[in-house]
Amino acid sequence: NAGVTQTPKFQVLKTGQSMTLQCAQDMNHNSMYWYRQDPGMGLRLIYYSASEGTTDKGEVPNGYNVSRLNKREFSLRLESAAPSQTSVYFCASTRTANEQFFGPGTRLTVL
Amino acid sequence: AQSVTQLDSQVPVFEEAPVELRCNYSSSVSVYLFWYVQYPNQGLQLLLKYLSGSTLVKGINGFEAEFNKSQTSFHLRKPSVHISDTAEYFCAVTPTNAGKSTFGDGTTLTVKP
Repeated sequence: NAGVTQTPKFQVLKTGQSMTLQCAQDMNHNSMYWYRQDPGMGLRLIYYSASEGTTDKGEVPNGYNVSRLNKREFSLRLESAAPSQTSVYFCASTRTANEQFFGPGTRLTVL
Repeated sequence: AQSVTQLDSQVPVFEEAPVELRCNYSSSVSVYLFWYVQYPNQGLQLLLKYLSGSTLVKGINGFEAEFNKSQTSFHLRKPSVHISDTAEYFCAVTPTNAGKSTFGDGTTLTVKP
């Protein structure tokens, strides 16, 4: 039981490049989330998926797209990376309105 | 909509001293309350949660929190901290009818020898 896994762990991009952050959970959870964490700003929700086949914008969706590929996987795509997207990205999942289970994070630097 | 305010961004404390990390929230609907801990270079993990019942909840590593509905607070306490408790702590609320969680900005607890 791996919980929530994220790939890659680290990534450096140049401005304008694209990339996809992958997230998978093996707990049969319905809901999945993408957050970004910046110093002093806590966690900010980018997108979430309440169930397979649905996605909704969070607090800071601009510059990102998501895909809920199936119940297990929820990917986050940066189409044209900008320095303002330098951050640590966390994926999380939950079964109901209960605790969230977090992945280990992806540290992204955009030059 | 809901909001969470963690009243202290940084809390320095000496080893074996008691500590309280304060969290206030506001919400127009009923919520569940959570405290998460984040150790350096790791993801968040659950420390404790309040769903219903007794307002005093106990979590891992000797932490406890008290839900105060009238003051809309959920303060985290530990009677005697250890160096290994140095971490960032996040308070969060989630509507009981499901939906998005809201996190506070975090409190950095630094335990000094």
